[in-house]
Amino acid sequence: GENVEQHPSTLSVQEGDSAVIKCTYSDSASNYFPWYKQELGKRPQLIIDIRSNVGEKKDQRIAVTLNKTAKHFSLHITETQPEDSAVYFCAASRDGQNFVFGPGTRLSVLP
Amino acid sequence: DVKVTQSSRYLVKRTGEKVFLECVQDMDHENMFWYRQDPGLGLRLIYFSYDVKMKEKGDIPEGYSVSREKKERFSLILESASTNQTSMYLCASSFGTDGQPQHFGDGTRLSIL
Repeated sequence: GENVEQHPSTLSVQEGDSAVIKCTYSDSASNYFPWYKQELGKRPQLIIDIRSNVGEKKDQRIAVTLNKTAKHFSLHITETQPEDSAVYFCAASRDGQNFVFGPGTRLSVLP
Repeated sequence: DVKVTQSSRYLVKRTGEKVFLECVQDMDHENMFWYRQDPGLGLRLIYFSYDVKMKEKGDIPEGYSVSREKKERFSLILESASTNQTSMYLCASSFGTDGQPQHFGDGTRLSIL
């Protein structure tokens, strides 16, 4: 079955700097890759997703890139702000309905 | 806005008790899911359901069962609770077509004493 790894497990950046979180997956048939943000004590919420027919997608300060050959995808956050501090989860899906999640990255944006 | 409601935010039960966690969604979603979330392990799928009365095992179904008698409600059952089932439990739902995001509830923090 699918296995999703995520790095780093923790990440600290200065406010205004960029943050990058990388995920790798094992199932070459996976074709849908969402990213979730979970603030402390709150539910995970979808922030961006990408499908396998697209190499990059951007939404304001966040972007996701996908390399299908290497089987990895990354989340990029630019101009980080304190409210970006949260745990971020990547996920991969081959049927677009069932997801396998990565273990999460705790991002801390330092003022 | 999608609303996924879990019946309890915090729950404390004793070893051996039968525990019910309830989840209700209001968006007519076909799919519903139960995950447990543990530090360093992310979200692990316990059970999911594609339709009423249908259920499929996820990655860690042992010690759990589920019930989906109505489309909007998906229940997780711990048949005989054990201390290693102390965890955060998250319910999610989604439409039954490809590439649809899952929408999560607020979670139930369950402690088994």
